[in-house]
Amino acid sequence: EAQVTQNPRYLITVTGKKLTVTCSQNMNHEYMSWYRQDPGLGLRQIYYSMNVEVTDKGDVPEGYKVSRKEKRNFPLILESPSPNQTSLYFCASRTTGGNEQYFGPGTRLTVT
Amino acid sequence: QQQVKQSPQSLIVQKGGISIINCAYENTAFDYFPWYQQFPGKGPALLIAIRPDVSEKKEGRFTISFNKSAKQFSLHIMDSQPGDSATYFCAASLMNSGYSTLTFGKGTMLLVSP
Repeated sequence: EAQVTQNPRYLITVTGKKLTVTCSQNMNHEYMSWYRQDPGLGLRQIYYSMNVEVTDKGDVPEGYKVSRKEKRNFPLILESPSPNQTSLYFCASRTTGGNEQYFGPGTRLTVT
Repeated sequence: QQQVKQSPQSLIVQKGGISIINCAYENTAFDYFPWYQQFPGKGPALLIAIRPDVSEKKEGRFTISFNKSAKQFSLHIMDSQPGDSATYFCAASLMNSGYSTLTFGKGTMLLVSP
């Protein structure tokens, strides 16, 4: 089944404790991205990657890091999480120039 | 600067009624306008999309109306059903650039009452 998977689905952590949210897709898509969803603010892009070793900032990149060492994986790293990063996070992928973006199931992160 | 403005923020429609969600964009270079549907606990999924060379696209009960001169597009859900209750996002992008990113509206929570 073609899909985007994220782990963990739920995470509660404390301020300053580094964490990684994994994202993997099995569709051989070149393009992957991370979004955060907050009430009243919709979906905002954090980072995106056009292909392996090619990443770029989205609209809200502060406090986040990403890497793209393999085509299928695009982890999101919070090196020192803060409460304002409490949010619902989505990973997404599509082919370069493709129309449809496929989203993962989401990761709900709470930073206390 | 918000490039895609979506309204209303929330909408309650009776079963069988018409749901209408509106979006306005600023960048006249946008050339692809999708709508995504998100159910609680799930990621958004593509519902329907339109290119600016047509004024309307219909798929089942879902229709996009596009007004290029006004830089507006809207989603119409005919014969709305409780199963349509979800959050809807409009979006816009520059597909001809090959690697364009989607710019999303803030979303509309639709509740269809039985």
